Amino acid sequence: GAVVSQHPSRVICKSGTSVKIECRSLDFQATTMFWYRQFPKQSLMLMATSNEGSKATYEQGVEKDKFLINHASLTLSTLTVTSAHPEDSSFYICSAARTSSADTQYFGPGTRLTVL
Amino acid sequence: KQEVTQIPAALSVPEGENLVLNCSFTDSAIYNLQWFRQDPGKGLTSLLLIQSSQREQTSGRLNASLDKSSGRSTLYIAASQPGDSATYLCACLSGAGNMLTFGGGTRLMVKP
Repeated sequence: GAVVSQHPSRVICKSGTSVKIECRSLDFQATTMFWYRQFPKQSLMLMATSNEGSKATYEQGVEKDKFLINHASLTLSTLTVTSAHPEDSSFYICSAARTSSADTQYFGPGTRLTVL
Repeated sequence: KQEVTQIPAALSVPEGENLVLNCSFTDSAIYNLQWFRQDPGKGLTSLLLIQSSQREQTSGRLNASLDKSSGRSTLYIAASQPGDSATYLCACLSGAGNMLTFGGGTRLMVKP
């Protein structure tokens, strides 16, 4: 149990376009979902925390208008990278927790975004 | 602000060796510490989770220890195999916001 999926696994887009990444908890309900970004050979950095039905909480330095997060249901959160630029190219990983952020987080397989 | 450091950043060993990966953290007020494995281009696989009240956890050839007072954790891998080659990440859950803070990882290569 506790499987988290992400779609797409890889996406290549042109600069200036928007890209949506989905994160789903397949066999459990996730009250809290997290979005991380990982640059090559670096560790994961938390971008934002979202609770179902509420606005996401963004970490310092993450532009909320550029990285739109929607957590409309207990099994789905989406991250939309708006007006993507090459510097947004990264590996985006989501995780999901059944209850609060203090609960165990289950990680998705990640999405590789390449902006040309 | 919690900071997590992993040493070494990279490690190459021959098959069969026992090895230790180190993780240190600056804020000892953690709720738990978790070790993950990440294969290239892939997501995270949770290996072991140690609650703040625990001293160690074991799973197969893996043993993780936690010393909160000194801000350290170690991951011991016994009889290493080429299939163990991956990046190993440790992460601490701490702070008022229950944030999971990751270390930079140790890239392990086990040579046949």
